[in-house]
Amino acid sequence: DSGVTQTPKHLITATGQRVTLRCSPRSGDLSVYWYQQSLDQGLQFLIQYYNGEERAKGNILERFSAQQFPDLHSELNLSSLELGDSALYFCASSSTQNTEAFFGQGTRLTVV
Amino acid sequence: GQQLNQSPQSMFIQEGEDVSMNCTSSSIFNTWLWYKQDPGEGPVLLIALYKAGELTSNGRLTAQFGITRKDSFLNISASIPSDVGIYFCAGHAFTSGTYKYIFGTGTRLKVLA
Repeated sequence: DSGVTQTPKHLITATGQRVTLRCSPRSGDLSVYWYQQSLDQGLQFLIQYYNGEERAKGNILERFSAQQFPDLHSELNLSSLELGDSALYFCASSSTQNTEAFFGQGTRLTVV
Repeated sequence: GQQLNQSPQSMFIQEGEDVSMNCTSSSIFNTWLWYKQDPGEGPVLLIALYKAGELTSNGRLTAQFGITRKDSFLNISASIPSDVGIYFCAGHAFTSGTYKYIFGTGTRLKVLA
């Protein structure tokens, strides 16, 4: 158990809908990262937060947004969902910005 | 998106054999990490490397941070069936005013008993 908790574990929704994925980082970790992993693909970096502030952005679509709250948990919001958004979404956390990251179990999103 | 190149992409080996995989980049990294991912699970950190030339072991796993800071390798000795999975390298660097983790394309390992 990495200590990073993601909910829900599975999510099935229809095209055009909006969903929110939640991540609770390891206790004491200030940095949260979001990654997308499509079937049999690598990990695509989406966005990073550090202590509530956005620090880095990857290939995140405009339909997607995220935030980190004062209690350090983070949410990834995906809207106007398309079939191609079906993927595993991982959250990772690290204690600072330049230490190793630990991953959650992921949320499997299926858009039908 | 930007990714590191890992090779081989996949490999089948016999149980008991040693395995070697590597990761290369055109950019310099300050930290190299190696993760293993089982199907449907999140990546699990295996080894972290922080200095050029550093050689670190974790049980049957050994990884090295390349001298040029643009590559890293992971060796698995005496492979066993539970070594099956996808191995990802990740480079960590401070670029454009921010820290970034970049992941490799993955090496899929299958062990034949």
